[in-house]
Amino acid sequence: NAGVMQNPRHLVRRRGQEARLRCSPMKGHSHVYWYRQLPEEGLKFMVYLQKENIIDESGMPKERFSAEFPKEGPSILRIQQVVRGDSAAYFCASSPSGWVEAFFGQGTRLTVV
Amino acid sequence: DQQVKQNSPSLSVQEGRISILNCDYTNSMFDYFLWYKKYPAEGPTFLISISSIKDKNEDGRFTVFLNKSAKHLSLHIVPSQPGDSAVYFCAGINTGNQFYFGTGTSLTVIP
Repeated sequence: NAGVMQNPRHLVRRRGQEARLRCSPMKGHSHVYWYRQLPEEGLKFMVYLQKENIIDESGMPKERFSAEFPKEGPSILRIQQVVRGDSAAYFCASSPSGWVEAFFGQGTRLTVV
Repeated sequence: DQQVKQNSPSLSVQEGRISILNCDYTNSMFDYFLWYKKYPAEGPTFLISISSIKDKNEDGRFTVFLNKSAKHLSLHIVPSQPGDSAVYFCAGINTGNQFYFGTGTSLTVIP
């Protein structure tokens, strides 16, 4: 059973471009969480999704950021018109319904130049 | 609104001694608490958890204590080893299965 897979591991984008971050949860996991870690800071919640539903997006910036977890395929975190302040490590975690711990992916390090 | 707080950004401990990492929370509705360990350039990995109905959970060198009246939990590592050097995050889970993480404490175990 493969772990949570995130790709790409590293992503470089110019200001104004779009960034797409992918997260494939562990097999059987229907809950996905996205977190952002800015330099020298802890993990900040962004969004919590279940299949085809956004449960809680209170941590997502109101503009330029969106997330989805379709019925088939990975969860996608999309950042439009990236700015330098978006440079961070983005982590995805998944958990099966009703379990306690969530398992994290290796993260995607986004650098905006 | 930071519902889970780790007020010590860093901690240094001699090898063989006890490491105590602290965490405070404000939300009384958390069902479970967890500790995660994170090495640089890697994702956090689950370490140990405790249910809100318990006050202690032990797993090898790691013990988590929960004081509900004080809304405080702590992770004890005994004895500390150099390989324990990492950033430790505590998290609370509410009834909606939502995780709230603290900002992390960087532990350095000195050989």
